Amino acid sequence: SQTIHQWPATLVQPVGSPLSLECTVEGTSNPNLYWYRQAAGRGLQLLFYSVGIGQISSEVPQNLSASRPQDRQFILSSKKLLLSDSGFYLCAWSVFPPGGYNEQFFGPGTRLTVL
Amino acid sequence: AQSVTQPDIHITVSEGASLELRCNYSYGATPYLFWYVQSPGQGLQLLLKYFSGDTLVQGIKGFEAEFKRSQSSFNLRKPSVHWSDAAEYFCAVGARGYSSASKIIFGSGTRLSIRP
Repeated sequence: SQTIHQWPATLVQPVGSPLSLECTVEGTSNPNLYWYRQAAGRGLQLLFYSVGIGQISSEVPQNLSASRPQDRQFILSSKKLLLSDSGFYLCAWSVFPPGGYNEQFFGPGTRLTVL
Repeated sequence: AQSVTQPDIHITVSEGASLELRCNYSYGATPYLFWYVQSPGQGLQLLLKYFSGDTLVQGIKGFEAEFKRSQSSFNLRKPSVHWSDAAEYFCAVGARGYSSASKIIFGSGTRLSIRP
């Protein structure tokens, strides 16, 4: 069966420090991968998605970047964190079947607090 | 552009009572619709999905949802709630994106509290 991992689970970082959040998927090949941010009491905002190694699409211009160095690895980064980067970051995967559509499956999330 | 509206920010129901969470969507093509649940500090879990066919779909944990095209709605229901159902519920609509990426647009969520 497929599983998705995110780490770290919790992170407290000072303003201006770098960031690296990692997401890995097991049990599937060539998944679509997604990064979302959820601010306190708000819905989910899609940040980036990837349909393959090295292919990254950005949904919202911001202080963050994403990379996909391996098929099942998705990394969210920042060179200098802002207070507004605080939130709950969720990684998700999906498989796009031929002629159809498929749901997304979410990881456990990373709680980021920028002080 | 597609959008999802969940008009109720917070709902409180008594344990054992019935539940209906509202969801309205806007999408020009055939919608793909989802309900997800999120417990505090956790990721999202898929409750149920509608792609086509029977407009009444059954999900996990005793939940069901009905797709009504004429009303652009996909309301979530449960006949008798349990204390463990307290969580945040998100309605979502699927959108076909670039290079077959399956993008999902989420509503802002409805927080469900259960009264003992």
